Amino acid sequence: DQQVKQNSPSLSVQEGRISILNCDYTNSMFDYFLWYKKYPAEGPTFLISISSIKDKNEDGRFTVFLNKSAKHLSLHIVPSQPGDSAVYFCAASEEGGGNTPLVFGKGTRLSVIA
Amino acid sequence: GAVVSQHPSRVICKSGTSVKIECRSLDFQATTMFWYRQFPKQSLMLMATSNEGSKATYEQGVEKDKFLINHASLTLSTLTVTSAHPEDSSFYICSARKAGGMGTDTQYFGPGTRLTVL
Repeated sequence: DQQVKQNSPSLSVQEGRISILNCDYTNSMFDYFLWYKKYPAEGPTFLISISSIKDKNEDGRFTVFLNKSAKHLSLHIVPSQPGDSAVYFCAASEEGGGNTPLVFGKGTRLSVIA
Repeated sequence: GAVVSQHPSRVICKSGTSVKIECRSLDFQATTMFWYRQFPKQSLMLMATSNEGSKATYEQGVEKDKFLINHASLTLSTLTVTSAHPEDSSFYICSARKAGGMGTDTQYFGPGTRLTVL
């Protein structure tokens, strides 16, 4: 059973508009969430994270929102740029990432169209 | 951020040979490193958790005798694919955990190693 779900395998957005990538989780013990960006044949790159004590974290064009009651988080990219085109993975862990591995979603491929 | 390197980035080998992949955290010490495998168009699959100075913890279905993991120091973990076969061909990625404050550890990933077994 998948504990972290990214239900949209792909998303296309016009350059300059907002990209919203969604992620749902089922494990109520998760308390730390991360977003990674991945280009083909490269390792994932850490983008932004949020701990369960917050509901929003912002870093430049990237904002992550966490809705604990709905077990849902989303990544907003504003404005979207062609270089943002990549696969985005949502990940979650227990104990703030302490000694537990990350659990990844299957990823969403974002295409930003110029 | 933090830098994690992997070597080699690409390797082609004959069936039956062994291949060693190195993962290094360059600017921080990592007591825990992880090894993942990614199949085309699929998510990352955790293979094992590597703890410095102790035996690795393998995920269900991963053969520990085939995928040997050694975490000899706080900055180096190695994955050895023994007696490699074509079905082992994949993209192998390591990550290293960097301790953060207030329980917000972050994993940083290496660039990956493309293994092709002929």
